[in-house]
Amino acid sequence: SAVISQKPSRDICQRGTSLTIQCQVDSQVTMMFWYRQQPGQSLTLIATANQGSEATYESGFVIDKFPISRPNLTFSTLTVSNMSPEDSSIYLCSAAGRGRGTYEQYFGPGTRLTVT
Amino acid sequence: DAKTTQPPSMDCAEGRAANLPCNHSTISGNEYVYWYRQIHSQGPQYIIHGLKNNETNEMASLIITEDRKSSTLILPHATLRDTAVYYCIGGSNYKLTFGKGTLLTVNP
Repeated sequence: SAVISQKPSRDICQRGTSLTIQCQVDSQVTMMFWYRQQPGQSLTLIATANQGSEATYESGFVIDKFPISRPNLTFSTLTVSNMSPEDSSIYLCSAAGRGRGTYEQYFGPGTRLTVT
Repeated sequence: DAKTTQPPSMDCAEGRAANLPCNHSTISGNEYVYWYRQIHSQGPQYIIHGLKNNETNEMASLIITEDRKSSTLILPHATLRDTAVYYCIGGSNYKLTFGKGTLLTVNP
C-alpha cells in the first residue's frame, strides 16, 4: 500500500483566485489521479497525472481550469484556477500501483475547498 | 467499466456480521470487483478486490457468485468505526468509477 499526504487539508478562498494543492506519495507509483467530490456526491475523476507530460483529462474537465503537474513519480499538484463558489468541493489525490492481478489504488485524505 | 447496483443504505448491529450486496450483471470476464469505503470526511479506503475466487484479508471477505453477476462484502464483526459509505466498483484497469455506494450504519 501507499501512504498519501495532501496540502493544504482545507482552505477558504475568494472568488477569482487560484489554489494549488500538493500531493505526496511515500513510494514510487505508476499512476496518480485527481478526483473531485462535490458536497453530498460521490467521487468524480478529474484527470490522470502523467509523469513528465501533460495530464489526461476526463470529459468535462479542462487544463485551463485544472492545470496539473507531475514532475516525478511521487509528487503531483492540482491547481483550481479562477475559482467560483461552484468549485467548493473536496479534492482528492490517489495513487495506483500493480497489486494482486490488477492495480490497487490508494487515496489521500483530501483537501476541503470553500470558495466565497 | 461495469455498472454496479447497491442498496442506498443498510443497518447492522455492533458485533454482528455486515453483508453488503452488489449487483454487477454487465461485468466482463477481465473486470475485477473492487470494494472501497469512505468514512465521513476522509479519503476512500481500499478494502479488497477479486476476479473470480472468493477473497479474504484482514478487513473483510469478498464472495463472488459463480456467474460473477453479483458479490457480497462481508465484515465479520462490525464495529461502530465501520460506519461508512461502501463502494462496489467493477473495472479492468486503473480507472475507478464511483457510484453512490451503500451507507452502512453500525448501531450499538
